[in-house]
Amino acid sequence: DAGITQSPRYKITETGRQVTLMCHQTWSHSYMFWYRQDLGHGLRLIYYSAAADITDKGEVPDGYVVSRSKTENFPLTLESATRSQTSVYFCASSDGIGQGQYFGPGTRLTVT
Amino acid sequence: GQQLNQSPQSMFIQEGEDVSMNCTSSSIFNTWLWYKQEPGEGPVLLIALYKAGELTSNGRLTAQFGITRKDSFLNISASIPSDVGIYFCAGLAGKLIFGQGTTLQVKP
Repeated sequence: DAGITQSPRYKITETGRQVTLMCHQTWSHSYMFWYRQDLGHGLRLIYYSAAADITDKGEVPDGYVVSRSKTENFPLTLESATRSQTSVYFCASSDGIGQGQYFGPGTRLTVT
Repeated sequence: GQQLNQSPQSMFIQEGEDVSMNCTSSSIFNTWLWYKQEPGEGPVLLIALYKAGELTSNGRLTAQFGITRKDSFLNISASIPSDVGIYFCAGLAGKLIFGQGTTLQVKP
């Protein structure tokens, strides 16, 4: 089915472990984004990408790494997970920076 | 940095009532977007506004891009139970900045 998908939907990991969250879109949108959503903070941009091999930091990039070797995929890696990274992570895509973004269903990550 | 003030934070209304919420900022935005998020789901785009003064409708939803480009409003007419959720405004000026959300509950 077309659209934007995220995997896994739920993940529990331990402090210090590396974990990668996957995002895949079938619209061939040039822009892709990663947000985290926490109570009291709303949605905060972690990283975004304007095209394959082009990425840029958002508001809260520390502790995260992204890559975009293919237009349709935009994985987010937590190199050494910390409890403060417990959150719900949303991936989004859009046709342009000025266009509405379309969100995936989210990944709920718990770091113990 | 840029911030959006969204109000009210929450609303509990009777089915059939109209709803109004707004977002304000000290910064100018080129685009205003309104999203709805239901529990366990990602935000869904409801309305996009691209020009100051623009008024756009999507069914029972109407949104306006403020003349000053520093605010936007969302109205929902004749609310129904499935309108429940969190409504987010977002302003775009280089990057998308989200408001804190308005939680809407509708009593049948």
